[in-house]
Amino acid sequence: GAVVSQHPSWVICKSGTSVKIECRSLDFQATTMFWYRQFPKQSLMLMATSNEGSKATYEQGVEKDKFLINHASLTLSTLTVTSAHPEDSSFYICSAPHRTALLLGYTFGSGTRLTVV
Amino acid sequence: AQKITQTQPGMFVQEKEAVTLDCTYDTSDQSYGLFWYKQPSSGEMIFLIYQGSYDEQNATEGRYSLNFQKARKSANLVISASQLGDSAMYFCAMREVHTGANSKLTFGKGITLSVRP
Repeated sequence: GAVVSQHPSWVICKSGTSVKIECRSLDFQATTMFWYRQFPKQSLMLMATSNEGSKATYEQGVEKDKFLINHASLTLSTLTVTSAHPEDSSFYICSAPHRTALLLGYTFGSGTRLTVV
Repeated sequence: AQKITQTQPGMFVQEKEAVTLDCTYDTSDQSYGLFWYKQPSSGEMIFLIYQGSYDEQNATEGRYSLNFQKARKSANLVISASQLGDSAMYFCAMREVHTGANSKLTFGKGITLSVRP
C-alpha cells in the first residue's frame, strides 16, 4: 500500500534554531501534502497544504515565514520550523491523498515530535 | 461552525464488549466522505473505515462498523469485541468533495477509548 515516510520521528533542538521535517511518498506520487500540528490529547490542526511546484496554502493564523513548506518534487514535501521556540514544541504530521481502486483516502506519515528547549 | 462533533470526552469499555463512539457532522454538500482513524500513543494515524454519503449500506471492516444515519448527520463507529490494543484516541473526519479532488479532511476533537481487562 501507499506509504509516506516521515523523518525525523523525534527531534530536540535549541531555541532559535531551525528544524526541517521531511515527508516522502515511497510508492506513489504525492501532488498534494497536508501538514498538521497536534498538541497532546487534542485534534489534528491543519497548518498548510502544499502542492508540487507551487506555493503552499496556509491556514488562517499560521505564520508562513515561521513554517516554511516546500514541495519541490512529486515525492518530497518538507516543513521547516524556523527560529524555533518552546511554544513550537508539538507533534507534526503530514498526510497525502492517495487513490486506490476502492477509495480516495489519505496516507499519513508517522509524525515528528518536536521539542524546543 | 464546528463541522465534526465528537462530544464524548473519554470512553471506557470492558474487554470483549462492544462500544460505540459518537460522531455528528455538518455540511451542505450532497457528496462527502466520512472517515474514522485510530491514533495510539505512538502517534501514527491508522485508517479504520470509510463511509461515502451515497453509500446505501453501512460500512464494515472486520470488528469495525459505521452506523451511518444520514438524516441525523451522524456517523458513529461501533467496535465489537473490544481488545486491549483498541485503547487509543479515535478521530472522526470528513472530506467535503466540493473543495476539490485533493480536498482536505476536517477532524473532530477525538475520543479517548480505554479498554479494561
